[in-house]
Amino acid sequence: NAGVTQTPKFRVLKTGQSMTLLCAQDMNHEYMYWYRQDPGMGLRLIHYSVGEGTTAKGEVPDGYNVSRLKKQNFLLGLESAAPSQTSVYFCASSYAGASNQPQHFGDGTRLSIL
Amino acid sequence: AQSVTQLGSHVSVSEGALVLLRCNYSSSVPPYLFWYVQYPNQGLQLLLKYTSAATLVKGINGFEAEFKKSETSFHLTKPSAHMSDAAEYFCAVRGFRAGNNRKLIWGLGTSLAVNP
Repeated sequence: NAGVTQTPKFRVLKTGQSMTLLCAQDMNHEYMYWYRQDPGMGLRLIHYSVGEGTTAKGEVPDGYNVSRLKKQNFLLGLESAAPSQTSVYFCASSYAGASNQPQHFGDGTRLSIL
Repeated sequence: AQSVTQLGSHVSVSEGALVLLRCNYSSSVPPYLFWYVQYPNQGLQLLLKYTSAATLVKGINGFEAEFKKSETSFHLTKPSAHMSDAAEYFCAVRGFRAGNNRKLIWGLGTSLAVNP
């Protein structure tokens, strides 16, 4: 049972390059989320999805795009990477049942923008 | 608006000592509360959750948390710290506000160090 899988685990980009982070979950969860984690700032929600084909902005969406073409996958794109996007990115998913359902996290992608 | 405050960004205890990590929340409706743990270079893992069934909630690895409505608190405790408990701990809240789409409001985290 893999849970939430993020690829890649590490990546170094140059300013202006683009890339896509992939999140896959095998728990048939309806909701999926992308967070970034920076020292002293906790977790900040970038974008989220409540179902296949739907996405919405979180707290810090600028500079990122997302897509949820399949229920099990949630992609996070950086169109033109900036040093300020150096961070650890986490994907999470949750069941759409009762509100006490927790979010399940991947192990993160460590992204450095030079 | 809902919010979560974790008092103390860094807590240090001796092995075998009591662990107390503080979390206070702000919510106009009965909240759902969660504690997560993050070990170095890993994702977040659910420790426990409060869902109104009982005010004292037991979680994994010997941790427990008590919901106190009058104090709007959900502090995390463990009677005896182990070296393996060294990690970052996050408190989060989700309320009943319509259309919240299952988003969590996160505290900034508390880093727990356990000294031998």
